[in-house]
Amino acid sequence: QSALTQPRSVSGSPGQSVTISCTGTSSDVGGYNYVSWYQQHPGKAPKLMIYGVSKRPSGVPDRFSGSKSGNTASLTISGLQAEDEADYYCCSYAGSYTYVFGTGTKVTVL
Amino acid sequence: QVQLVDSGGGVVQPGRSLRLSCAASGFTFSNFDMHWVRQAPGKGLEWVAVIWYDGSNKYYADSVKGRFTISRDNSKNTLYLQMNSLRAEDTAVYYCAKKGSTDFDYWGQGTLVTVSS
Repeated sequence: QSALTQPRSVSGSPGQSVTISCTGTSSDVGGYNYVSWYQQHPGKAPKLMIYGVSKRPSGVPDRFSGSKSGNTASLTISGLQAEDEADYYCCSYAGSYTYVFGTGTKVTVL
Repeated sequence: QVQLVDSGGGVVQPGRSLRLSCAASGFTFSNFDMHWVRQAPGKGLEWVAVIWYDGSNKYYADSVKGRFTISRDNSKNTLYLQMNSLRAEDTAVYYCAKKGSTDFDYWGQGTLVTVSS
């Protein structure tokens, strides 16, 4: 199972919006509405930010949003803040009770 | 509140074995599927294994199939990962994670496994 493809890095100034793409195949991203996104600060455990493509867990700011089109999912951070600087990973169900993560994207707040 | 505490990591020689544990609290452990996810130093996340809430089914990534065994003791609220025939490429921080609806909604703090001679 190959990792989902994400851009290595994205950056933006405070208040701007950034979008991270997550490209898979029809066997994972395109085949199920089971895409989730995780934020990871250095030395910390990942934190769930988006599940079921576009749902936000309680406590996650509404500036985080998710979507999907075909085999590509996207995470958008609107109104970028300094604390949003972190690594972000997408994840998709890949069938047969297995999961695949994305390659990860480093978000830098300029 | 939900808490997952990973333990059991350490330095181990190639070919040897190690067992990781994940102590759960703050939720009804026996009602939820549980996962292991790992992260090699400086690398991305990799899903490792899942065990159903009652232990009846287990599934593994191809990279660990036949070498790793996931198990649980619902009477002790504890998840395990038995790792045999360890290789250098198994060096990683190992996280246990609770299954949410379609995702991993809570994670342990991770435990570092280093495979080195």
